[in-house]
Amino acid sequence: KNEVEQSPQNLTAQEGEFITINCSYSVGISALHWLQQHPGGGIVSLFMLSSGKKKHGRLIATINIQEKHSSLHITASHPRDSAVYICAVPGTSYDKVIFGPGTSLSVIP
Amino acid sequence: DAGVTQSPTHLIKTRGQHVTLRCSPISGHKSVSWYQQVLGQGPQFIFQYYEKEERGRGNFPDRFSARQFPNYSSELNVNALLLGDSALYLCASILIPAGGRNEQFFGPGTRLTVL
Repeated sequence: KNEVEQSPQNLTAQEGEFITINCSYSVGISALHWLQQHPGGGIVSLFMLSSGKKKHGRLIATINIQEKHSSLHITASHPRDSAVYICAVPGTSYDKVIFGPGTSLSVIP
Repeated sequence: DAGVTQSPTHLIKTRGQHVTLRCSPISGHKSVSWYQQVLGQGPQFIFQYYEKEERGRGNFPDRFSARQFPNYSSELNVNALLLGDSALYLCASILIPAGGRNEQFFGPGTRLTVL
């Protein structure tokens, strides 16, 4: 069983739709990262959260530490949101980060 | 204020050659981590350096090595390149390592193609 799992693997949405990407993990963590990777390759950190909920613009991230589950929501989705969204958690030592497999999102105009 | 920078952006090498990739962390950040991302997969941890010392190493062969300089920039070296080394190499910058409690800021990556 992978330490970090995401669903769905691929997602196609119409512009304006509300989108949810889920992440579940099996390791104990101090914080969880949501990252965005565009086709060019660079990774952008969206959120780092250890409890509750964070909001930034149209993006909302929630985490339930007890259930080892986090969700990333995108409201009023736009084609520029098309990217791979990656959930990542710290490893068991130093600052190694364990990445989930990513969710490939495509928002169609 | 510049973010994490990496060079070169793209690189093409042939099997058996060696390569050096460079990373400059965010000003004031003292720790750098390197990751390899093979196409279609998530990044895999290679190394972490803090204050010029290796703090952690992933499951990569000895062909992979790295170092960190007094200005906290870092180099990743790969010797005897194999086709399977073709990947995006990402560098991440951390202010001070704290066992995962600090946010990592990623650079744009270096895309290495081995022919």
